Amino acid sequence: AQSVTQLGSHVSVSEGALVLLRCNYSSSVPPYLFWYVQYPNQGLQLLLKYTSAATLVKGINGFEAEFKKSETSFHLTKPSAHMSDAAEYFCAVSEAEAGGTSYGKLTFGQGTILTVHP
Amino acid sequence: EAQVTQNPRYLITVTGKKLTVTCSQNMNHEYMSWYRQDPGLGLRQIYYSMNVEVTDKGDVPEGYKVSRKEKRNFPLILESPSPNQTSLYFCASSLTAGGYGYTFGSGTRLTVV
Repeated sequence: AQSVTQLGSHVSVSEGALVLLRCNYSSSVPPYLFWYVQYPNQGLQLLLKYTSAATLVKGINGFEAEFKKSETSFHLTKPSAHMSDAAEYFCAVSEAEAGGTSYGKLTFGQGTILTVHP
Repeated sequence: EAQVTQNPRYLITVTGKKLTVTCSQNMNHEYMSWYRQDPGLGLRQIYYSMNVEVTDKGDVPEGYKVSRKEKRNFPLILESPSPNQTSLYFCASSLTAGGYGYTFGSGTRLTVV
């Protein structure tokens, strides 16, 4: 079984401040991990993904995330927030081994709404 | 342009009236899936398909049906919609199951009255 917990349903930062969105996962097999962003009235867009290569993953729009196996975490960061970063962010996990009961299935966290103040 | 196309974008219907939400992808993806999004619950998987004629239940399949007769299409069918199926629905596809990540459609906002 796999699951994702996103700590904090709402995060508010000032423009130019560090963005940190927290994600912890649970998986019985090695995971693939993803961050998606959803802007109002739109679908989900892939920000970045971890697929067992480098533990520090760089994505679009200046975001990056670090896979920490010992902490079962995959937190999303951006050094300097921009107004255009305001959106809802979802962390997701899937199994990395074919044949598992959840292979291919993306399990999402509950989402974190990021607000950026001027 | 590579994309997943859902129709309609918005739908208001009455309880019990059968409806179909269409989903089509033009990327030759094997894996397709339907999710519903509800506030505070994130996205939950309804059904998925590993390939043509191969479908299976996700976490919340009750009240829904799917079919995968062609690789590009994966329609979601609500035989007898009820108000608790009011939600935002997303279709998604991936090259295969695994680490490719999904491409999502723009969503279908369904209201059942």
